[in-house]
Amino acid sequence: AQSVAQPEDQVNVAEGNPLTVKCTYSVSGNPYLFWYVQYPNRGLQFLLKYITGDNLVKGSYGFEAEFNKSQTSFHLKKPSALVSDSALYFCAVRLRAGNNRKLIWGLGTSLAVNP
Amino acid sequence: GAGVSQSPSNKVTEKGKDVELRCDPISGHTALYWYRQRLGQGLEFLIYFQGNSAPDKSGLPSDRFSAERTGESVSTLTIQRTQQEDSAVYLCASSSPRQGGFFGPGTRLTVL
Repeated sequence: AQSVAQPEDQVNVAEGNPLTVKCTYSVSGNPYLFWYVQYPNRGLQFLLKYITGDNLVKGSYGFEAEFNKSQTSFHLKKPSALVSDSALYFCAVRLRAGNNRKLIWGLGTSLAVNP
Repeated sequence: GAGVSQSPSNKVTEKGKDVELRCDPISGHTALYWYRQRLGQGLEFLIYFQGNSAPDKSGLPSDRFSAERTGESVSTLTIQRTQQEDSAVYLCASSSPRQGGFFGPGTRLTVL
């Protein structure tokens, strides 16, 4: 079955430290890859996406993600975490084949940045 | 408007009542999704519409759930005979080719 895994339910980091939120996927072909963020009491917001080209994708709020084809991973990173980055992060993939537009989602990782 | 809109923003209902949730997608977006997010849990896919193709209903949890969309316009998600376990935030998203989904703010459903 095609799936997206976010192996950590919760990630805790100290403010100013680098952060990584992990995502791996198991789908056929080379999918499009996405990260979304959900801040408390707000809707989901798009962070960044990988379509093709450079494996390092830069997105909003200083976040970036690195696509690793051999490891089928798309980990989200930020060099220096802020308390305001505390939120729920979702990884998603979309298949390239045909006209498939359905997103396959991970279950989310709760990021807590401590002051 | 510029984004996906959903109404109502909050709905409180009694167990056994029917509810209808509305989603207005971004104009021109051919794909529309409904998701559910229960408290403390991840996103749960419900249904997917793509243009005039038959919808992917594989995520609907029971036959009490149904959704409609005419063409590329508004979609409604209907839950009949609501149960307490239906309490969740129901999210709608629309997308265009080569982009991910743009989410609406959600409808928070509380079944008493």
